[in-house]
Order: sequence, then structure tokens, then C-alpha cells
Amino acid sequence: DQQVKQNSPSLSVQEGRISILNCDYTNSMFDYFLWYKKYPAEGPTFLISISSIKDKNEDGRFTVFLNKSAKHLSLHIVPSQPGDSAVYFCAASAWKAAGNKLTFGGGTRVLVKP
Amino acid sequence: GAGVSQSPSNKVTEKGKDVELRCDPISGHTALYWYRQSLGQGLEFLIYFQGNSAPDKSGLPSDRFSAERTGGSVSTLTIQRTQQEDSAVYLCASSYQPEYGYTFGSGTRLTVV
Repeated sequence: DQQVKQNSPSLSVQEGRISILNCDYTNSMFDYFLWYKKYPAEGPTFLISISSIKDKNEDGRFTVFLNKSAKHLSLHIVPSQPGDSAVYFCAASAWKAAGNKLTFGGGTRVLVKP
Repeated sequence: GAGVSQSPSNKVTEKGKDVELRCDPISGHTALYWYRQSLGQGLEFLIYFQGNSAPDKSGLPSDRFSAERTGGSVSTLTIQRTQQEDSAVYLCASSYQPEYGYTFGSGTRLTVV
């Protein structure tokens, strides 16, 4: 039972354009959501997070949107840069119920073309 | 240290042998997690230590897997009688404040031949 799903395994985008990554979840207990970025042979690095009390969080070129009714979140990267090419993982936790244990999606590989 | 340190970075072992993977978390981080990533898959939760509480072992795939955390710091993940399906990258992470997520180590790539 995959509680966090990233339905697009890969995404290709031109440098300077917007990258939109999507993530869906099924567990209504999830109240905290995060995005991680992973380069080959490295551990994932934290990118941005959002609490369920918000619907948007912005940090520089990265914005995360949360639609609780649809159990959907997305990550927007504007403008995309070649260094953004990596695998992006969506993650969720039921912080109040289960502490800080994260459930991850399967990842989306992003390729930014110069 | 400045980050989460894992050793070894690579391990090749014969089927049936036992292996130990080590994780040195960031000093002061009270929570420590083990995940694994099989080829082409997402991150699969294995086990979670939080302070002095009993660990959450709900993700361990079989009784061949065990982990301990000594003195609230270093953790060792042990896999007994390894099988080929155990081949994966084993990632350790630690955290202090949930708003900033985890800090992951670079992982141990385990290959069972």
C-alpha cells in the first residue's frame, strides 16, 4: 500500500522554464510534508517543507503547494537551472500520531536541459 | 562531525553472511532513522530511534534485520544471513527539529552476491 505516490518517474524541462513536480498521498493523518533532492551517490538533502495548516510555502526558486482536500502537493522550481537535475522525493509524516517518521514517494527524476 | 557519517560506503558480501552497517549521527540529534533504497525504488523506512524511547521497528522486513543505538549516538544495522534481495543502498538520517527534515548520510551500498 503506497501511501505517498509520485506518478511521474521523470521530467525533462528547458533551462529557465518552470519545473512542476506532483505528489499524491492517501493517509489523512499526514500533517507535515517535505521535498528532498538527491544526486547520484549522495544522500537526499532537504529542500523545502510545508505544514498542513498552510497551503503554500516559498523559499527562493522553490515553492510547495498543498491541497489537503485533494491530498495533493506540488513543487514548483522557477526558473529551472541545470544544477537542479536530480531525483526529487516527496515525503510525508503524521507528526502528531507517529512522530517524525517519514513516508517517501518513489521519486521523480528531473533533467534540466541547457 | 558536521554531517551524518556512514560506513562502509560500499560492501560486497556473499549470500548467507552477516553484515553490520554503521551510522554516526550529527551530535545533539535525538532522532535517528534507517531507510533503504532498492534499485529504481523510493526510500523504504526500516527503523526509528527517538531519544530513550523504544525504537519503532515497524519497517524491518524480516527478523534477519536488527538495529541498535548505543548511548543515544552511534547506530548499527545488522543483517543476518544476507539474501540477494537485501542488496540496496542503506541510508541513515538524524534530526533535531522536524521543520528542517532529516539530514541524511551518503549511504552504504550493499551488494549480496
